[in-house]
Amino acid sequence: GAVVSQHPSWVICKSGTSVKIECRSLDFQATTMFWYRQFPKQSLMLMATSNEGSKATYEQGVEKDKFLINHASLTLSTLTVTSAHPEDSSFYICSALRLAGGPYQETQYFGPGTRLLVL
Amino acid sequence: GDSVTQMEGPVTLSEEAFLTINCTYTATGYPSLFWYVQYPGEGLQLLLKATKADDKGSNKGFEATYRKETTSFHLEKGSVQVSDSAVYFCALRGGGGADGLTFGKGTHLIIQP
Repeated sequence: GAVVSQHPSWVICKSGTSVKIECRSLDFQATTMFWYRQFPKQSLMLMATSNEGSKATYEQGVEKDKFLINHASLTLSTLTVTSAHPEDSSFYICSALRLAGGPYQETQYFGPGTRLLVL
Repeated sequence: GDSVTQMEGPVTLSEEAFLTINCTYTATGYPSLFWYVQYPGEGLQLLLKATKADDKGSNKGFEATYRKETTSFHLEKGSVQVSDSAVYFCALRGGGGADGLTFGKGTHLIIQP
């Protein structure tokens, strides 16, 4: 099956620093990747859609200057949380879109998530 | 906007019991519907999906039928096993394949031997 990895799996940082999270599709190419955020006992909330070679599309309410997304290759997207604050502490999950043969056959494959704690 | 509502957990059942996890949705147009499962320490995995009304998705003994008239996509399994213990997420995709998913809050299922 398709595999998506994230690195790091967890990170602790000081307030004001920046943190980069990597999302890789290991055995397929992904033109499109997504970044989600999950709060405890809450659903996953889509933050942005990352498109290879172009600017990311952010959901309403998500600060694009705060959460920088770069999708420089077909297998790697990165999310950088800039000037992190304690309220940015959360579980960040990426997914990669794998295209299949026909319409409606696209499937998102999810990474295991990255837990960020900002002190 | 689009939304997904699923039953709150945790749901605790005995092995071999019948399982239903309710899921209803609100969306414009004709969304695709999904159930994802998250086992402890792992990422979300697609369990099954349905892309149009009356479609039935099935996998690993789980089934869900896309009911447009009731805007529902309830997950069922006839006989659960301890290994089915996980968190189950109902989700929809409102637009085309390149759109992100809208998730429910997840239902934690606990199966006791």
